[in-house]
Amino acid sequence: GENVEQHPSTLSVQEGDSAVIKCTYSDSASNYFPWYKQELGKGPQLIIDIRSNVGEKKDQRIAVTLNKTAKHFSLHITETQPEDSAVYFCAAMNSGGYQKVTFGTGTKLQVIP
Amino acid sequence: DTEVTQTPKHLVMGMTNKKSLKCEQHMGHRAMYWYKQKAKKPPELMFVYSYEKLSINESVPSRFSPECPNSSLLNLHLHALQPEDSALYLCATAGQQETQYFGPGTRLLVL
Repeated sequence: GENVEQHPSTLSVQEGDSAVIKCTYSDSASNYFPWYKQELGKGPQLIIDIRSNVGEKKDQRIAVTLNKTAKHFSLHITETQPEDSAVYFCAAMNSGGYQKVTFGTGTKLQVIP
Repeated sequence: DTEVTQTPKHLVMGMTNKKSLKCEQHMGHRAMYWYKQKAKKPPELMFVYSYEKLSINESVPSRFSPECPNSSLLNLHLHALQPEDSALYLCATAGQQETQYFGPGTRLLVL
């Protein structure tokens, strides 16, 4: 089955700096990679996703890159703000027939004002 | 704002109780999921319903019983739970693009 590794487990940055979270996956059949943000006491919220036919995707301060050859993908947050503080999960799945999503272990991001 | 709602928000139950968790979506999605999440861990898949039929059961103990009465509703019936079943229970839905959208969860405490 799929295995997703995520690093780092914790990340502290100064407000305004950039944050990068990296994930690797094992199953070459995976073709869809969502990222979720989870605030304390809430459900995970989709913040950005990327499919295997695309190498990079941006949405304002958030970007995701995908390297299919190396089987890794990364989340980049620029100009971080205190409200970016949360736990971030990467995930991978083989889309087609509502298959299982495999989550990474999570990164707790703290943005220091 | 989430279009996936879950009730109740919090639930405390004894090991002999029977209770149900409810999930409702109005996104027209045809897949619905139950996840269990322990503190500081990622969500762990329990069940998947696709077009109102159970398609994935991740070897979940029978004290958890899912039900999908229609395309908008998903229930999780709980009976004879153990204290280690205390967790956040999350519902998610997915449409044709298979992107999963999560509800806010039910925080369950088993005494």
